[in-house]
Amino acid sequence: EPEVTQTPSHQVTQMGQEVILRCVPISNHLYFYWYRQILGQKVEFLVSFYNNEISEKSEIFDDQFSVERPDGSNFTLKIRSTKLEDSAMYFCASSDPGASYNEQFFGPGTRLTVL
Amino acid sequence: RKEVEQDPGPFNVPEGATVAFNCTYSNSASQSFFWYRQDCRKEPKLLMSVYSSGNEDGRFTAQLNRASQYISLLIRDSKLSDSATYLCVVTGDSSYKLIFGSGTRLLVRP
Repeated sequence: EPEVTQTPSHQVTQMGQEVILRCVPISNHLYFYWYRQILGQKVEFLVSFYNNEISEKSEIFDDQFSVERPDGSNFTLKIRSTKLEDSAMYFCASSDPGASYNEQFFGPGTRLTVL
Repeated sequence: RKEVEQDPGPFNVPEGATVAFNCTYSNSASQSFFWYRQDCRKEPKLLMSVYSSGNEDGRFTAQLNRASQYISLLIRDSKLSDSATYLCVVTGDSSYKLIFGSGTRLLVRP
């Protein structure tokens, strides 16, 4: 069964450093998303991406964040200058807008630890 | 009012029990509704979409009441492997973004 993959599984970085989190969505999906989950809290939407542009973003997704689809398979989330409060699990998801409910399928996540 | 509200639990039930989860949502224009399950420190996994007429998938039954803005999930004959956190999830009114509840934790004991 096709699945979303993410790398790395765990990233440790110093405050102020840039990080890039990588995702390979399911191959025939056209919508891509990033969510995050701070430890002990609920999953929160960051951004959705369709047709090579951002379709929606949350208040969390400020100028420090950017997304890119650099090639036909990868989807990346960049955090330019990490803060302590960016420490969280980051989940990538993808969906097929042709499916009746546009169900989203999640990758295993990248645990980001900012020191 | 929270966008999606769930009882945090935990619900502690014996194997074979029937357990029900409830959820309310605040945006009456929400279009799509889902139940996901999340194991500790893992990704949310789609359990089932919730259709307007209600739907069943094996031991799992989901119901939607748009008038009351209420969603439910019933698990029959619970198994040890059902132990997880169950997340009620809705979409916005004209958006694909998922809005998650905080989840209800289920513990199924032998």
